[in-house]
Amino acid sequence: DIQMTQSPSSLSASVGDRVTITCQASQDISNYLNWYQQKPGKAPKLLIYDASNLETGVPSRFSGSGSGTDFTFTISSLQPEDIATYYCQQYDNLLTFGPGTKVDIK
Amino acid sequence: QVTLKESGPVLVKPTETLTLTCTVSGFSLSNVRMGVSWIRQPPGKALEWLAHIFSNDEKSYRTSLKSRLTISKDTSKSLVVLIMTNMDPVDTATYYCARTNYGGDRVGAFDIWGQGTMVTVSS
Repeated sequence: DIQMTQSPSSLSASVGDRVTITCQASQDISNYLNWYQQKPGKAPKLLIYDASNLETGVPSRFSGSGSGTDFTFTISSLQPEDIATYYCQQYDNLLTFGPGTKVDIK
Repeated sequence: QVTLKESGPVLVKPTETLTLTCTVSGFSLSNVRMGVSWIRQPPGKALEWLAHIFSNDEKSYRTSLKSRLTISKDTSKSLVVLIMTNMDPVDTATYYCARTNYGGDRVGAFDIWGQGTMVTVSS
């Protein structure tokens, strides 16, 4: 099975900061990689699909990049409403979620 | 409006079988692009994918739980059902169903999620 790792596991940043999360797959998954945002008590929300495509209606401050085994998720200017846990998810072979990155405001 | 809603027991005993139902609306399970997965999340932990059913009725399962899981659908009733046998306290989690709109032979991205249903396994 494909394993996914994320770093950091948590971070604190100030409003307006650029935030970057990395996700690494245990083997080449091409661009079969999605990113989700989950707020406490809520279902996850799709933000980025196929590594770099912004889901309809998602603010442009969110972006993704990468292919193969290494991927990056970026919030260009952190907003208070971005406080959440972010998960990457591969679907090249079955499906695996990363362990999540908790983002909060400093 | 596309929605998914999970239903099932709140509490199950160890060794019992769990049956969860996902009722979908706003799209057809027979649409070639549509698939539905079950995903769970133990309290305070990460998301864990369990199973997926494609529009052509093909199924995929989490390797480590494959022997305990069965996913099925009733297209006419817009239902997707997950059966998990031999429940254990470690299976306590919020269980979500979620839709993919992909059309390929891979699962894809989950664009619509249900609200989730919390299942506790305890005697």
